[in-house]
Formats: sequence, C-alpha cells, structure tokens
Amino acid sequence: DGGITQSPKYLFRKEGQNVTLSCEQNLNHDAMYWYRQDPGQGLRLIYYSQIVNDFQKGDIAEGYSVSREKKESFPLTVTSAQKNPTAFYLCASRFSTEAFFGQGTRLTVV
Amino acid sequence: GQQLNQSPQSMFIQEGEDVSMNCTSSSIFNTWLWYKQDPGEGPVLLIALYKAGELTSNGRLTAQFGITRKDSFLNISASIPSDVGIYFCAGPSGSARQLTFGSGTQLTVLP
Repeated sequence: DGGITQSPKYLFRKEGQNVTLSCEQNLNHDAMYWYRQDPGQGLRLIYYSQIVNDFQKGDIAEGYSVSREKKESFPLTVTSAQKNPTAFYLCASRFSTEAFFGQGTRLTVV
Repeated sequence: GQQLNQSPQSMFIQEGEDVSMNCTSSSIFNTWLWYKQDPGEGPVLLIALYKAGELTSNGRLTAQFGITRKDSFLNISASIPSDVGIYFCAGPSGSARQLTFGSGTQLTVLP
C-alpha cells in the first residue's frame, strides 16, 4: 500500500538525549515536511524539503535537524538544544498542492 | 508568514445537527484544503478547493472557496459521533512551497 510511515508511534527519552524520528514514504512525492503539534494547538512547521539533499527551516527549526539523503526518507532529529521537545510530531509528503500525513510520533521527554 | 484564522475554536453539538466552520486569511490563497484529525492520528484530507467560488462535496461534507479568495467554509450535515475530531483548513504559502494550517476547530458531537 502507498503511504507515509512514521515510527515509532510512541517514544520516550531522557532529558538531554538526542532522538531521531523516522519518516518514510512510497508515494514518490518530492516534497516532505515535519510539523509539531502541541495539545489544543495547530500544526507548526519545523523543516521542509523540496528535493533530495536540500531542505529549509520552517517557523520553529531551532533545536531540530533533518536530512534528505533519499527521496523516500526524511528523518527528524530532536536535539538536546530543543527546550521543550515533548509534543506530537507529524510528517507529511506532498504532490502538487495536497499533502498527506503519517500517523504521527508522540515524543515524551522525562 | 501567512496566517489562517479558523473559527470557532471549538463546538459542541447534538447528533443530527448541522455544523459550519470557517477559515479566513489576510492574504489571497489559490488553494484551500480541509483536513480532519482523529485523536492521536495524523490529519486526513477531506476536501480540496482550487477555484474561487467553487463548492465541493464529499458525502455529508461541503466546502466552499470564498469569492474573495481570502476565506473558505466547511459544512457538515446531519452530524454523527464519528465526526468528532479537529478540523483544519490549510493553504499553500511561501511561494507555494510551504503549507500553512489554521489553528483548528475541535468538534464534539453529543449523543
């Protein structure tokens, strides 16, 4: 089946540790995105990538890093520099104007 | 960047009632997208609008692209319990390379 897969669904990490969230798509979409969602709030853009080996910062990129070595994959690393990393993270890929989302990763830092 | 203002922020309705929500922007959008997010899941695309004045339906859902291109509306008829969730509007921004989302409308359907 075509789609976007985020893993893991739930992730727990100790404060000060870096953690990498996986996002894989088999839709052959060029553009991929990472959003952060806090309780009761909308989606805020962290990073996006239009093509392989290229990516741009979104509105809240501080404390995050990404790579785009393959068209299918766009992993997000939450670094120790991110002051409040506990949130729901959503990955999306996009063809033309429509974006399609993965099921999300809920990250809890303790 | 561009911002989308969505209202109402939350709604509590009785099962069977109709629902209306809207999204406005200070700048023009060429595309309007409406998504629904179930608890703990990623948003799912409901309806896409590409032309000013366009009215598009998807089952009990109907969305309209405002004539001014600065607003859009989503209506849900005869609500059912599975309509519960957060509804987001969205549109391309930043030279169309980004997708801006509204803050969402939380819908609760009471039995």
